[in-house]
Amino acid sequence: DVKVTQSSRYLVKRTGEKVFLECVQDMDHENMFWYRQDPGLGLRLIYFSYDVKMKEKGDIPEGYSVSREKKERFSLILESASTNQTSMYLCASSLISGLGNTIYFGEGSWLTVV
Amino acid sequence: AQKVTQAQTEISVVEKEDVTLDCVYETRDTTYYLFWYKQPPSGELVFLIRRNSFDEQNEISGRYSWNFQKSTSSFNFTITASQVVDSAVYFCALSESEIQGAQKLVFGQGTRLTINP
Repeated sequence: DVKVTQSSRYLVKRTGEKVFLECVQDMDHENMFWYRQDPGLGLRLIYFSYDVKMKEKGDIPEGYSVSREKKERFSLILESASTNQTSMYLCASSLISGLGNTIYFGEGSWLTVV
Repeated sequence: AQKVTQAQTEISVVEKEDVTLDCVYETRDTTYYLFWYKQPPSGELVFLIRRNSFDEQNEISGRYSWNFQKSTSSFNFTITASQVVDSAVYFCALSESEIQGAQKLVFGQGTRLTINP
């Protein structure tokens, strides 16, 4: 079975803290993604990676960075957390090549910044 | 720019009723894919279906069916004889662009479906 695992389900952080959200997939997928989900806005793409050490900005990259040192692991970094980054974060992965490839999602990480 | 609209924010029905979730999309490309995902309370998005722009055949899977109409840019989802376990948030998504082999999905706002016993 396909598995995307996000290390933390619920986090509470203080404004200004550096936050790491970790994601691991066990399907040997080339592509990995970080989305943010907010009520009324659906899911919005923050960053994605198509290979180790390669990354591309999504639609809302401001305030975030990412790291992909190994194929199976993709980290989202909030350099200095702010209250407007309180949200649910979803990691996903897919095989390379093809508009029609299914993207598989993890269970999400609920982040509250106080 | 591509866009996906799910005009129904919330729907509430009684168990065993049929319910249709609407999805309208905008794209200038001729090649694209449409998806439906289910998000139960646990949070994980579960893939339900994928349809490419050249295949307008409707699809049925058990109690689920999908109606794709390019003429109206719609990809609607119907649940027949709904059950409480169908309660979830449902997302429609469009994939039309690809960067370095990674497809970009654009999601609708989601429809929260509640099935009451």
